[in-house]
Amino acid sequence: AQSVTQPDIHITVSEGASLELRCNYSYGATPYLFWYVQSPGQGLQLLLKYFSGDTLVQGIKGFEAEFKRSQSSFNLRKPSVHWSDAAEYFCAVGAGGTSYGKLTFGQGTILTVHP
Amino acid sequence: DTGVSQDPRHKITKRGQNVTFRCDPISEHNRLYWYRQTLGQGPEFLTYFQNEAQLEKSRLLSDRFSAERPKGSFSTLEIQRTEQGDSAMYLCASSSRRAGQNTEAFFGQGTRLTVV
Repeated sequence: AQSVTQPDIHITVSEGASLELRCNYSYGATPYLFWYVQSPGQGLQLLLKYFSGDTLVQGIKGFEAEFKRSQSSFNLRKPSVHWSDAAEYFCAVGAGGTSYGKLTFGQGTILTVHP
Repeated sequence: DTGVSQDPRHKITKRGQNVTFRCDPISEHNRLYWYRQTLGQGPEFLTYFQNEAQLEKSRLLSDRFSAERPKGSFSTLEIQRTEQGDSAMYLCASSSRRAGQNTEAFFGQGTRLTVV
């Protein structure tokens, strides 16, 4: 069975600083990987996804993520964080024929941004 | 397109009562998913439909839970004899899977259930 680990429950950064959120997955074959963001009391918004091809994927809001098969990782990065980026971030893995919607999520990382 | 719509957004119910939630997916999407999210956790998969057929149910979906998608459009999730442990955010998502073209899942804003 697949699993996702987000080692950091809570991260605090200053506005303008760079950001990296960690994600490690466990899956036997090539995974489909996603990062979603959730604001308090809201649903999830897709930031970016990796299906195949270029291992560095670009997403919305200036985010990018790099798929590293050797490390089973899919870390999310942003070069300069804005106060509006404060939210909870979820990494997810999908597999098989239902890969696009039947997802296994990590526990989430709460991002706090200081002015 | 207005995205995935869920109703109600919030529901408070007494223990033992039945509740029903509705999800309207993106109109051209043929797959619909239900997830449950408890405080401090990521969403957990409950069940999914392709058109009107319920293709998979998680072990999390006890006998008190039932989901339907009668005409392959909107879906309902009913919880009978609610328990305090059912308190959670219930998220609906939809995606499209057709030959040669697939989309990722788009989520609704969720229904927050509180059982008192």
